[in-house]
Amino acid sequence: AQSVTQLGSHVSVSEGALVLLRCNYSSSVPPYLFWYVQYPNQGLQLLLKYTTGATLVKGINGFEAEFKKSETSFHLTKPSAHMSDAAEYFCAVTEQGGYQKVTFGTGTKLQVIP
Amino acid sequence: EPEVTQTPSHQVTQMGQEVILRCVPISNHLYFYWYRQILGQKVEFLVSFYNNEISEKSEIFDDQFSVERPDGSNFTLKIRSTKLEDSAMYFCASSGRDTTNLSGANVLTFGAGSRLTVL
Repeated sequence: AQSVTQLGSHVSVSEGALVLLRCNYSSSVPPYLFWYVQYPNQGLQLLLKYTTGATLVKGINGFEAEFKKSETSFHLTKPSAHMSDAAEYFCAVTEQGGYQKVTFGTGTKLQVIP
Repeated sequence: EPEVTQTPSHQVTQMGQEVILRCVPISNHLYFYWYRQILGQKVEFLVSFYNNEISEKSEIFDDQFSVERPDGSNFTLKIRSTKLEDSAMYFCASSGRDTTNLSGANVLTFGAGSRLTVL
């Protein structure tokens, strides 16, 4: 079984400030990890993914995330928030090596204050 | 860039009516999924489909739900007799082998969603 916990359903940052969205996962087998972004009234867009190899992965729009096995974490960061980053962000996990379902976290709404 | 297309974007229906939501997955993908998101809540897995059969389904996917791939391109979700609590955004997704990663990561591409409102 696998699960994802996102700490903080709402996060507010000032424009230009660091963005940190937290994600911890639980998986009985090596995981694949993802961050998806959902803008208002839109679908889910893949921001970045970790599968194997480098633990620091870079995604679109300046976001990156680091897979830390010892901490079972996959936190999402961006050095400088932009107003256009306001959206809901979902961390997700699936098992390596197959095409099993992806399990999503409850989401974190990011508010960017001018 | 290839995309997953869903229709309709919004459907309003009366309780007890049948609804069919349609999806056109990415053409060379082999795995298909339906997820739903009740307003303000998390994205929940409903069902996965491979090789013309259901490979996994959640407890949400009861006898009122069915999926079908009637031809080579469409993937449909049918709700036989809608209930108020079926009101949600329904997302279709597809996946195939990730050509950038030989391990075949299960990277889902989602459609924009179909919003279902049951009155």
